[in-house]
Amino acid sequence: GQQVMQIPQHQHVQEGEDFTTYCNSSTTLSNIQWYKQRPGGHPVFLIQLVKSGEVKKQKRLTFQFGEAKKNSSLHITATQTTDVGTYFCAGPGGAQKLVFGQGTRLTINP
Amino acid sequence: DTAVSQTPKYLVTQMGNDKSIKCEQNLGHDTMYWYKQDSKKFLKIMFSYNNKELIINETVPNRFSPKSPDKAHLNLHINSLELGDSAVYFCASSPIAGVRYEQYFGPGTRLTVT
Repeated sequence: GQQVMQIPQHQHVQEGEDFTTYCNSSTTLSNIQWYKQRPGGHPVFLIQLVKSGEVKKQKRLTFQFGEAKKNSSLHITATQTTDVGTYFCAGPGGAQKLVFGQGTRLTINP
Repeated sequence: DTAVSQTPKYLVTQMGNDKSIKCEQNLGHDTMYWYKQDSKKFLKIMFSYNNKELIINETVPNRFSPKSPDKAHLNLHINSLELGDSAVYFCASSPIAGVRYEQYFGPGTRLTVT
């Protein structure tokens, strides 16, 4: 079935450094969503991208959807300790269901 | 008010037992989901109901049986629990079925089978 591959699995940064996670699909995606899960918490929706080449910003977070709609990225500028957590991308795995990537766990050294 | 709630938050039980997890959403959504998150954080869909009708039934052992008495509630019953069932189970909801709608997750139920 449809798979969404996410890299890296884990990234450790110093506070203030930038962070990027990448999401790749072998097939064209109609849309992609991003979620954040804090340690011990539940996934929380961040954003959805729909258009080819789309770029959306939320404060220090920048989300991109590739031109071919097969990849996406989430970039965090100048990380803060509140950014700690696991970031998931999710794409269509069929008409009704989302398939989640493996997640990228972000840890930060204050 | 909590949008999506689950009970219990923690569940510790022995192999072979039967247990249930309950989920309720007060968002007025039509669609509800059960996900399983394993120890490696991999999040996998198990079931989905749209207005009480089962629309997604992934390859899950038939020891797992969902039930939706109404569109605001989705329960998960697990028979003959096994060690491999240990995981965090998340309930989620979305306004209607489809991949274009954001999903709202409950706080999760951490199930430990000993």
